[in-house]
Amino acid sequence: EIVLTQSPGTLSLSPGERATLSCRASQTVSNSYLAWYQQIPGQAPRLLIYGASSRATGIPDRFSGSGSGTDFTLTISRLEPEDFAVYSCQQYGSSPFTFGPGTKVDIK
Amino acid sequence: QVQLQESGPGLAKPSQTLSLTCTVSGGSISSGAYYWSWIRQHPGQGLEWIGYIYSSGSTYYNPSLKSRVTISADTSTNQFSLKLSSVTAADTAVYYCASTDCSRIACYGYVWFDHWGQGTLVTVSS
Repeated sequence: EIVLTQSPGTLSLSPGERATLSCRASQTVSNSYLAWYQQIPGQAPRLLIYGASSRATGIPDRFSGSGSGTDFTLTISRLEPEDFAVYSCQQYGSSPFTFGPGTKVDIK
Repeated sequence: QVQLQESGPGLAKPSQTLSLTCTVSGGSISSGAYYWSWIRQHPGQGLEWIGYIYSSGSTYYNPSLKSRVTISADTSTNQFSLKLSSVTAADTAVYYCASTDCSRIACYGYVWFDHWGQGTLVTVSS
């Protein structure tokens, strides 16, 4: 089973700042099958990125994903007020599909 | 677009079977290349994929839960269901149903989750 580690655990930033979130896998993620989700407390996750770098339908272009192998990054170029949330990565390159523990982006 | 809604008891007793249903609207569960999944989130923790059923009816489960899980579909009601047997307090979680649209990108069973239900909390307690 691939274990995903996310860092930092919490990221405190101000609106307008750039956020860089890391997701590291315990083994190579095949075909860069890595997705990112945003979750606001009390709500369901929302798909942001799949295939490491493809934005899901309706996702603003301030969200971008990159990486391959075992190291992946989600970047939010300029934080908007609605972006303060928990972000989780998920690998689907091998079964069982697994999620990271999440990075909380909160307001500084 | 596809919308999903979970339903079922919010309380299950230890050793019994947890049963949840996901009602799908905006699409047919038997058409196209869709995967229909169940995912859970323990309180304050990360997400755990439970398993999926494909539009063809084939299923695939997380090996850690495989011995206790059954996912099935009812095309007449456009619903799919989760049964988790022999539950314990460790199965207390928010349960989500989710879908993956593989009609434009071939998935071959390797799935991310592009639409989610709102989630339902199931507590296991006597």
